[in-house]
Amino acid sequence: ETGVTQTPRHLVMGMTNKKSLKCEQHLGHNAMYWYKQSAKKPLELMFVYSLEERVENNSVPSRFSPECPNSSHLFLHLHTLQPEDSALYLCASSQDTGWASGDNEQFFGPGTRLTVL
Amino acid sequence: GQQVMQIPQYQHVQEGEDFTTYCNSSTTLSNIQWYKQRPGGHPVFLIQLVKSGEVKKQKRLTFQFGEAKKNSSLHITATQTTDVGTYFCAGTLYNFNKFYFGSGTKLNVKP
Repeated sequence: ETGVTQTPRHLVMGMTNKKSLKCEQHLGHNAMYWYKQSAKKPLELMFVYSLEERVENNSVPSRFSPECPNSSHLFLHLHTLQPEDSALYLCASSQDTGWASGDNEQFFGPGTRLTVL
Repeated sequence: GQQVMQIPQYQHVQEGEDFTTYCNSSTTLSNIQWYKQRPGGHPVFLIQLVKSGEVKKQKRLTFQFGEAKKNSSLHITATQTTDVGTYFCAGTLYNFNKFYFGSGTKLNVKP
C-alpha cells in the first residue's frame, strides 16, 4: 500500500544457509534503505543507496551484503548469520537522501521477519 | 553514542488523556520527522518540520520543533485507542547528512 514491497515476509534460516531479501519500490524514488528493527535497537540504519550507489554503510558485518541493481530494486544477501541477527528487516525509499532538499520522507515496506536458528 | 534520544520509552494512558513524547539531539538538526508504527506494522511518515520554532497540527496531533533545532515534541490531545503504537522521531544532523531514528515511545491507550 505504500508503494514499497518486500519478499519474503517471513524467513527462517539456519546459520549455514544463504538467502536473499528483496525490496522493490514503485514510487520513482532515487534512494533506498535497509533497516534492522529488533527489541534491543528499535531502528538501525544499515545501508543507504542513492541512484544505485552505496552512500552509507553503518558498520554492518560482512555477512550482510547489499545489492542495488537499479533504482527500483534492493537486495540484502545473507550468509552465515547468527541467532542475534534475528529481527525485522525493513526496506524504505525516499525521493532523495539530501538534507538540504528536505525530500527524505521515507516510505517503508512491510518488512521481512527473519529468524536465524 | 545515540545521536537522537527520545523519551519516554513507554507511556500508558487512559483513553481521553493527553500524551507527549520528546525528542532531543546534542547536535543541530536540519529537519525532524515523525513516524508512527502500529503493532505488527511498519513505520508510517506523519510529518516533517524544518524551520526553527515551527509548529504543525494534524487534527489532535501537534508537532513542535525547538528554536535551537535540537529538540522536538509530539503531543496528542484526548488520546483514542487508534493512537496505539510506537512513535519515532528521526532527524538529519546538520552538515553531516546523517539520518538517525530515535528509540521510539510506545503508547498504550486503555479504553
